[in-house]
Amino acid sequence: DGGITQSPKYLFRKEGQNVTLSCEQNLNHDAMYWYRQDPGQGLRLIYYSQIVNDFQKGDIAEGYSVSREKKESFPLTVTSAQKNPTAFYLCASTRDGFTGELFFGEGSRLTVL
Amino acid sequence: AQTVTQSQPEMSVQEAETVTLSCTYDTSESDYYLFWYKQPPSRQMILVIRQEAYKQQNATENRFSVNFQKAAKSFSLKISDSQLGDAAMYFCAYRSASGLGGSEKLVFGKGTKLTVNP
Repeated sequence: DGGITQSPKYLFRKEGQNVTLSCEQNLNHDAMYWYRQDPGQGLRLIYYSQIVNDFQKGDIAEGYSVSREKKESFPLTVTSAQKNPTAFYLCASTRDGFTGELFFGEGSRLTVL
Repeated sequence: AQTVTQSQPEMSVQEAETVTLSCTYDTSESDYYLFWYKQPPSRQMILVIRQEAYKQQNATENRFSVNFQKAAKSFSLKISDSQLGDAAMYFCAYRSASGLGGSEKLVFGKGTKLTVNP
C-alpha cells in the first residue's frame, strides 16, 4: 500500500544533540513538507520541497535542516540550535505542489530530556 | 499573509446529533482551496473534505458537508449523525491557487477538539 512512513515514532534526545527524523513516501509525490505541532498552536510549517535537490524555509525553520536527495525521502534534522524542540512532527506529501491536498504520515514525537 | 481562525477550541455533541465547526480565513485572493482535516487520537491527519473557491456548490462527503460563504470568508464543517469515531481534533486549512510563491503551502488553523458523547 502506498503511504508515508515516519520514523521513529518516539524519540528522546539530550540537550545539545542533533537528531534526524526520517520521512519516506512511495506515492510518487513531488512535494514534501515538514510541520511541527504543539498543543494549542495548530500546525506550523518548518520546511518544504517541491522537487529533488530543492527546498524552501517555512515559517519556523530556525534550528532545523533538511535535505532532498531522492524523491522518496525528506529527512528533517533537529539541531542543537532549536531552543524548544520537544514537539510532535508531521511529514506530508502531495502529488501536485500547488493544488493538491496533503497526505500525512503518522508523526514522530520528539522529547528533549 | 493568509490566516485561518478556528474560534472554538473545543466542542461536544451527542451521538447521532449534528454539530457545526467554525472556520474563518483572511485573504485578498479570489482563487484558493479550503480543507478540513481530522486528527484522531492516533495523531495521523486525514482529509475530510475539500472545497475549491471558484465552485459555488458546497462540498459534501457522506455525513460531512461544508457551508462555504466566500464573501464572509467563512468555511464551516457540519457533521451529521455524529458517531463516536468522529471524536478528534479538526483542522481547517487554506491554500492559495495563485501558483505564485507561497501557494505551495497549506496554512492551518489551531484546531477544534470534538468530543462525541454516547
